[in-house]
Amino acid sequence: QVQLVQSGAEVKKPGASVKVSCKASGYTFTSYGISWVRQAPGQGLEWMGWISAYNGNTNYAQKLQGRVTMTTDTSTSTAYMELRSLRSDDTAVYYCARDVATEPVATNYFDYWGQGTLVTVSS
Amino acid sequence: EIVLTQSPATLSLSPGERATLSCRASQSVSSYLAWYQQKPGQAPRLLIYDASNRATGIPARFSGSGSGTDFTLTISSLEPEDFAVYYCQQRSNWLGVTFGPGTKVDIK
Repeated sequence: QVQLVQSGAEVKKPGASVKVSCKASGYTFTSYGISWVRQAPGQGLEWMGWISAYNGNTNYAQKLQGRVTMTTDTSTSTAYMELRSLRSDDTAVYYCARDVATEPVATNYFDYWGQGTLVTVSS
Repeated sequence: EIVLTQSPATLSLSPGERATLSCRASQSVSSYLAWYQQKPGQAPRLLIYDASNRATGIPARFSGSGSGTDFTLTISSLEPEDFAVYYCQQRSNWLGVTFGPGTKVDIK
């Protein structure tokens, strides 16, 4: 069965960086793109960007350009999201989510999600 | 960026009743709209994509309609497990994927 298992909760100070991992299993990793979506406490969902697990192409939300980097390691079927220069308003649960369709199509609809990783930014 | 507006913010209904949720886009998204259900402490679950296509394993009581700027999610007869928050999401172009603010369906 398809599973996306994310790394554990993190506590970071303002200005630091965080890198969250998302290990995929139960399907061919390079056949589907991965997006990252975050949710601040009690708030709605915010798309952060997408990475092709097939060729590493990325598309980041304009708001996060320059602070976010998404990568993959196909040898371990793992996607990573690194966010730099953390601020208090980056406190959120971060989700990885798999695209519905196989590459090279990117539908940006998400059928499987990780369990979420809470990142807390506090001095 | 395309802004999605959802109404109502909260919908209070009883099990067995029909739920009608609305999502409006600030500009046309054609049929590139999805609906998700989220329960407390859980990841979102894809219900509907391309405005009216049910995702795999989603019960037939969930249906979606609309195109352009106005969309509707209908739950024909609410089951106890349907009380949750529902988000719409558009993916019309690479300027950005956006979500609506959500509609909470709670028990009356």
